[in-house]
This record gives sequence, C-alpha cells and structure tokens, in this order.
Amino acid sequence: KAGVTQTPRYLIKTRGQQVTLSCSPISGHRSVSWYQQTPGQGLQFLFEYFSETQRNKGNFPGRFSGRQFSNSRSEMNVSTLELGDSALYLCASSFAQGATEAFFGQGTRLTVV
Amino acid sequence: KNEVEQSPQNLTAQEGEFITINCSYSVGISALHWLQQHPGGGIVSLFMLSSGKKKHGRLIATINIQEKHSSLHITASHPRDSAVYICAAQKGGGADGLTFGKGTHLIIQP
Repeated sequence: KAGVTQTPRYLIKTRGQQVTLSCSPISGHRSVSWYQQTPGQGLQFLFEYFSETQRNKGNFPGRFSGRQFSNSRSEMNVSTLELGDSALYLCASSFAQGATEAFFGQGTRLTVV
Repeated sequence: KNEVEQSPQNLTAQEGEFITINCSYSVGISALHWLQQHPGGGIVSLFMLSSGKKKHGRLIATINIQEKHSSLHITASHPRDSAVYICAAQKGGGADGLTFGKGTHLIIQP
C-alpha cells in the first residue's frame, strides 16, 4: 500500500508569489490534515479536510487555504508569500475523523526569498 | 503555557540505556499520539493511545488519563533510535487537528 505522497518535496518562491502544495493520502483514507513546522513554533495545525469539506482550521491567516477533491487528494495554497512562511509543510491522512492513527507524508520544504 | 509539554527537550544517552520521555497535557483529549521524526523531516506515527499501555518492539507508551500524563519508553536503546520524539494531543469533543509538544531531541551514542 502506497504511503502519503506530497509534492513537490522542495520549493523556492519569492515574496509576494503564491504556491500550491499537493498531498495524496493513503488509498481509502478520507481525512487529510495539514501542518506547518518551523524551528521557532514547532508543528502547528493548519486545517483538516474530510469528504471534500473543511472540518477544522487552525489559527492561520486567510492567505492559507486548501481544498480536497473527490478522490481525497488535497491541495493547500498560500498566497502573497512572506519570508515567515518558510517552513516544512506536512500532511497527514487518516481513515476517518477524530481519534484515528495519522500517517504523515515526507513534507514539502518551502523557502521564501 | 503550552497545552502540551514535553520533557526533556534534549537527551543524550549511551547505547543500551533505558530511555523515558514525558508528556503532560492540559486539555481534554480523545487520544494521545507519539511520533518520531528523523532528520529530513519525515514523521512516523509510533503509537496512538487513549488509555493504558501499548508496546511495539522495544518501544512502550503509557498514559494516565487522570493525571494527564504520558510516557514513551525505549528499552535497550540503539543509535538508530536517535531522532526527535513528539507527543501530540487529539482534543476531545470533535475532529480537531493535533496539538503538538515541542519535541525531545534524542541522541544515542554507540
């Protein structure tokens, strides 16, 4: 069974640009969550999608958005990039919402210059 | 004060030693996760528990719901156990995302 796949693995963008990251969950998993990891703040929850609907959102500005498709693949978008958005972005898939085991992807390392 | 606190932040030990990493949380939870992160970023889920104790190989995780405390133990530690170990709380009452501790950076020296 294939694991969680995130693309691209590495990305360099310029301030003010926008970026789209992709996450393909494990086959059969319907919940996808996104997280940001920085040296200063550690891991922080961005949002969770289940059955194409955003179920929960963390404390991030509206520049961070996402969506989920009917095949459970998810994308997150960051508009008007700032230097502080440089981070490792991780997605995790679960079979269902709530207290179920989370399987993480390798992450996308975004650098904003 | 963070909702999830881990200790110690850094731990260096000799191969073969028994390792304990602690996690305290201040919120109601539906589950507590222990994660392992190696250099390069990939995260592996080690345990998800809501009560009692779980064991997988040389790893043991325990949780005390009344005291809001969990521990991760590594027996007969090995240099390949060197990684960052992160506990994460899944809050109760709904499908919230995980709330993470700051992590414990573990180095096992041969």
